[in-house]
Amino acid sequence: AQSVTQLGSHVSVSEGALVLLRCNYSSSVPPYLFWYVQYPNQGLQLLLKYTTGATLVKGINGFEAEFKKSETSFHLTKPSAHMSDAAEYFCAVSGSGAGSYQLTFGKGTKLSVIP
Amino acid sequence: DSGVTQTPKHLITATGQRVTLRCSPRSGDLSVYWYQQSLDQGLQFLIQYYNGEERAKGNILERFSAQQFPDLHSELNLSSLELGDSALYFCASTVTGDPGQPQHFGDGTRLSIL
Repeated sequence: AQSVTQLGSHVSVSEGALVLLRCNYSSSVPPYLFWYVQYPNQGLQLLLKYTTGATLVKGINGFEAEFKKSETSFHLTKPSAHMSDAAEYFCAVSGSGAGSYQLTFGKGTKLSVIP
Repeated sequence: DSGVTQTPKHLITATGQRVTLRCSPRSGDLSVYWYQQSLDQGLQFLIQYYNGEERAKGNILERFSAQQFPDLHSELNLSSLELGDSALYFCASTVTGDPGQPQHFGDGTRLSIL
């Protein structure tokens, strides 16, 4: 079975500061990893994905994430936070084995950006 | 705009009732997923369809059922509703339903049970 742990249900950063949102996964098969963002009263929007290949993945809005197999981590970063980044962020995993077609989500991290 | 359309956006009903949520996937997508988002359970996978056939089942209650029609739209039917069914229900779609494909989400249907 696959699972995702996001450390920190709430993270606050100052505008212009580094954003670091943590995600650790558990999967018995090589995983596919995703970060989604959810703005209030909206659906989930894909930020970036890791499938195979380069372990540093660049996404939209200046976000990037690094896949570290040895640490089973896929942390999301952005060098400089903007007010518009305030939202809830979800890390998700899917696998290649039976029963793993769907996304398994972490519980989410709500990011606040302080002016 | 993800291209996935969900209707209605809001639904208010009473315990014991039955409702139908509708989803139209992105043009060209053959696979549809349903998820439930609640404060206590987070985002939970319910069920997946591919080209009209059920492909995977998650934590879907027996009171809930779904289907995907020949035109590829999908409906999620919730019956004998309970207070705990109040949640945001999302539909997502992909081209083939394979795990590595990113899922594109609709804006959801917010279901409130009074």
